[in-house]
Amino acid sequence: GQQLNQSPQSMFIQEGEDVSMNCTSSSIFNTWLWYKQDPGEGPVLLIALYKAGELTSNGRLTAQFGITRKDSFLNISASIPSDVGIYFCAGSGGSNYKLTFGKGTLLTVNP
Amino acid sequence: GAGVSQSPSNKVTEKGKDVELRCDPISGHTALYWYRQRLGQGLEFLIYFQGNSAPDKSGLPSDRFSAERTGESVSTLTIQRTQQEDSAVYLCASTMTRRTSDTQYFGPGTRLTVL
Repeated sequence: GQQLNQSPQSMFIQEGEDVSMNCTSSSIFNTWLWYKQDPGEGPVLLIALYKAGELTSNGRLTAQFGITRKDSFLNISASIPSDVGIYFCAGSGGSNYKLTFGKGTLLTVNP
Repeated sequence: GAGVSQSPSNKVTEKGKDVELRCDPISGHTALYWYRQRLGQGLEFLIYFQGNSAPDKSGLPSDRFSAERTGESVSTLTIQRTQQEDSAVYLCASTMTRRTSDTQYFGPGTRLTVL
């Protein structure tokens, strides 16, 4: 089945720093999604990407859909303490409604 | 309510017992998903319901797992004869339609601990 490799597994940064995380896939995806999960909560959608090469921003967050359709990255600029959480990439192929999730990146921001 | 709700929020059970988890999707959402999230892992797809169509059960890990949904309302996930490896957070999500472009709205999950 489809697999997503998400890296890094965890990051410890200082408030104000920029951070980048990425996902790679063994197969082509037509949709890439980035979610954030806070403790005790379900994931919340941050950014959705539907076209190869697409670069989309949402406030301090920027994500790109790789041109090969097998990778995506998420950047967070000027991190703040509330950015703490687990970030997941997810992808789907074709008309498949099922999402494949990465294992997540745990972000810790030191004030 | 405005969002997806799940109950109970936590469930501790003994090995071999049956458990039933409940999901209330957002009103009017036709599609409903169940996922399992083991500690430190991503979400694993379990089952998908879309309106009155036959559910996609391809993600259910064994025949001990089953789920039902009546129309476009509440869904229940049942795990029979629970095992310790069933310990995980079980998340439910709903979407307006079955299009992949539709945002999946997640509930807070049920944390299941099997002793």
